[in-house]
Amino acid sequence: KNEVEQSPQNLTAQEGEFITINCSYSVGISALHWLQQHPGGGIVSLFMLSSGKKKHGRLIATINIQEKHSSLHITASHPRDSAVYICAVSGVVGTASKLTFGTGTRLQVTL
Amino acid sequence: GAGVSQSPRYKVAKRGQDVALRCDPISGHVSLFWYQQALGQGPEFLTYFQNEAQLDKSGLPSDRFFAERPEGSVSTLKIQRTQQEDSAVYLCASNLDRDTYYEQYFGPGTRLTVT
Repeated sequence: KNEVEQSPQNLTAQEGEFITINCSYSVGISALHWLQQHPGGGIVSLFMLSSGKKKHGRLIATINIQEKHSSLHITASHPRDSAVYICAVSGVVGTASKLTFGTGTRLQVTL
Repeated sequence: GAGVSQSPRYKVAKRGQDVALRCDPISGHVSLFWYQQALGQGPEFLTYFQNEAQLDKSGLPSDRFFAERPEGSVSTLKIQRTQQEDSAVYLCASNLDRDTYYEQYFGPGTRLTVT
């Protein structure tokens, strides 16, 4: 079993739809990261959170530490949101801060 | 300011060749990470530097992989006698300090294809 699991693996939505991507992890963490990767492009950090909820524009990230679960929501989705969204966790403070990644959710938003 | 840069962006190597991939982190960033991303997969950790010290190399898949950061800034990932299974995107990331609470900034990656 992977330490970080995401669902769904693939997601197709129509423009304007509300989108949710889920992430579950099985290890102790200091922070959880949501990252965005466009085809052929590098990775951009969207959120880093260790508790509660963060919002940036149409993106919202939540985390439940007790349940070891996080969600990324996109409101009023747009074709430019099409990308791979990756959940990653960084280890317990005091250890190397390397990231352990999920396999990503490929999102396609159509007109 | 400038982000993390990597070169080359694309590299084609014949099986058995040696390759060297370069990463220029953001100036002043203490921590530097190398990750390997196979097609359709999430990245996987290779190695970690804090300044010039390589503190974790547990993810390097074989002794053909070697990384260095001699002056605590630019880093080079070297792969000797490349094999087809080395084909992947190699990502470099840096962050400000050793504290895990700092987000990582990623470079665009080097896509290595071994033929």
